[in-house]
Amino acid sequence: GAGVSQSPSNKVTEKGKDVELRCDPISGHTALYWYRQSLGQGLEFLIYFQGNSAPDKSGLPSDRFSAERTGGSVSTLTIQRTQQEDSAVYLCASSQMWVDTEAFFGQGTRLTVV
Amino acid sequence: GEDVEQSLFLSVREGDSSVINCTYTDSSSTYLYWYKQEPGAGLQLLTYIFSNMDMKQDQRLTVLLNKKDKHLSLRIADTQTGDSAIYFCAAYMFSGGYNKLIFGAGTRLAVHP
Repeated sequence: GAGVSQSPSNKVTEKGKDVELRCDPISGHTALYWYRQSLGQGLEFLIYFQGNSAPDKSGLPSDRFSAERTGGSVSTLTIQRTQQEDSAVYLCASSQMWVDTEAFFGQGTRLTVV
Repeated sequence: GEDVEQSLFLSVREGDSSVINCTYTDSSSTYLYWYKQEPGAGLQLLTYIFSNMDMKQDQRLTVLLNKKDKHLSLRIADTQTGDSAIYFCAAYMFSGGYNKLIFGAGTRLAVHP
């Protein structure tokens, strides 16, 4: 596609339910990032993929969070047993494999846990 | 601690210049970026500077880089209400054998008449 696509754009879920957030990066981009932006806050790094592997999972806030990427393309961020503090906008970005290139962002998924 | 640091808020009068500052820790970063996030929108690349440059100018935007002090600034001349947004500084950091893109917390710029 022309840009990074995230779905759904909005998700309201009940506390305790599991949710899956999807990111379709720009074709050919091998680096993929997930960030979280809480209301009025900056960007919190969650996880980074280079191809299908995730060399850095240090930002995942708890073991309820997991992410995978298949075929070097689509990535899914899964949050199990959601809590109210998980409410935030989850942003995905992709870039070409070599460093020092521009990262392109999706519009984000706004997750609300009620 | 944070690898990229920014002040959180800046308020300026319309028509004045705005200066947003950023410090980073990884001296190997060869490109440094400024992203802009308008209310309710995603992040867009605003400008960037290559590390062998001291300054880059693009219309109303001037980026200054002090590599020795690892300090980056973004100056917006003749600030307009449409410039109200969150501005993020970003740099690649070497971690765990890979470079990952790290953002500052963002500076919220408020422009008032």
